[in-house]
Amino acid sequence: ETGVTQTPRHLVMGMTNKKSLKCEQHLGHNAMYWYKQSAKKPLELMFVYNFKEQTENNSVPSRFSPECPNSSHLFLHLHTLQPEDSALYLCASSLPGTGTSPLHFGNGTRLTVT
Amino acid sequence: DQQVKQNSPSLSVQEGRISILNCDYTNSMFDYFLWYKKYPAEGPTFLISISSIKDKNEDGRFTVFLNKSAKHLSLHIVPSQPGDSAVYFCAVFEIQGAQKLVFGQGTRLTINP
Repeated sequence: ETGVTQTPRHLVMGMTNKKSLKCEQHLGHNAMYWYKQSAKKPLELMFVYNFKEQTENNSVPSRFSPECPNSSHLFLHLHTLQPEDSALYLCASSLPGTGTSPLHFGNGTRLTVT
Repeated sequence: DQQVKQNSPSLSVQEGRISILNCDYTNSMFDYFLWYKKYPAEGPTFLISISSIKDKNEDGRFTVFLNKSAKHLSLHIVPSQPGDSAVYFCAVFEIQGAQKLVFGQGTRLTINP
């Protein structure tokens, strides 16, 4: 149990589908993140939320839509994705206000867009 | 342009020997450095970190070295164990700057029995 739980673990969707990824953390953290890991590439930061407020959108296409209803939950809503969006999507949480607080990652959702 | 580079995509080491993983960065303003370890089908887990005011930090079998003049970071694991086989990511952070954690592309370490 990592303290950060992501569902589903695997997702296959067509380009016209709408789906959502869910992340929940039980660590009392107030900062939550979405990262994308593509094959042979560094982890790419997508979105950051601090105390439920989005503080970072790293030039992510609008077909990815994050939602943070409270400090424990984070969603990533997906619609009209492209095959190149297939990747491992990782959620993470940390204490806010300092990047020196290590990130705690979930186990990720492996997304395949067909 | 990639700010953090791990030039070795893979490394194979004999059990019991030393594993040395390397990381280079381009921005001298980075002032906090971390290593994460990732097993297949799991998220990365934090391993060890170092701030720019130090040149060495040790935690058990793991030691991180920082050479600021060379903008180079390394992780030493000694002695290496089969359970250390994983992908290792270095990450850097600028406390006064963009406030983003920037990751390298990872090095896959395999420890051979």
